[in-house]
Amino acid sequence: GDSVTQTEGPVTLPERAALTLNCTYQSSYSTFLFWYVQYLNKEPELLLKSSENQETDSRGFQASPIKSDSSFHLEKPSVQLSDSAVYYCALRDIRDSGAGSYQLTFGKGTKLSVIP
Amino acid sequence: DARVTQTPRHKVTEMGQEVTMRCQPILGHNTVFWYRQTMMQGLELLAYFRNRAPLDDSGMPKDRFSAEMPDATLATLKIQPSEPRDSAVYFCASGLGGQGARYEQYFGPGTRLTVT
Repeated sequence: GDSVTQTEGPVTLPERAALTLNCTYQSSYSTFLFWYVQYLNKEPELLLKSSENQETDSRGFQASPIKSDSSFHLEKPSVQLSDSAVYYCALRDIRDSGAGSYQLTFGKGTKLSVIP
Repeated sequence: DARVTQTPRHKVTEMGQEVTMRCQPILGHNTVFWYRQTMMQGLELLAYFRNRAPLDDSGMPKDRFSAEMPDATLATLKIQPSEPRDSAVYFCASGLGGQGARYEQYFGPGTRLTVT
């Protein structure tokens, strides 16, 4: 089955530091990839979405799927205090019949704390 | 700004009582998912529906949990009888798409359940 592996957390960074959160995946099919962010006591919220070979950008975050590595790392050049949250990488595989997997496979999440 | 809504937002109940959680998916979305989130287990998929038909409930304890979608605007998750180990945040999510679609999911604010 599909699987997603993320950077082991927690990650602590000072304000304005550069962020990279790793995400690698395994799937026998082509995939759609996502990053979700969950702030404290809130629901997971879609941050980025991508199909293969297309970089996406949202709120200063970027992620570019690299098929050769099966990776979809999340990057931000300069983090803010408000970026403190748990970040989840997720995928949906695209099966030939279209009647296969509707659910997303989530990674375990990486907790990010940004400190002054 | 369309959102998934869930009621109640908080529920405290005694062991053995029945608990019903409700979800209104985003209008027009054709898939609905129920998740449970705890500190220990993270985000777990319990069940999901497509076009109101249950597709997978393998993540749900069958003896006490049931999920239904009586119409396109309402999904319910019921626990009977409830136990302290059911204490968690229950999220509903909805998505839209056909064959080859991304099927990104949009989460509701969750129901925080405490069973004493």
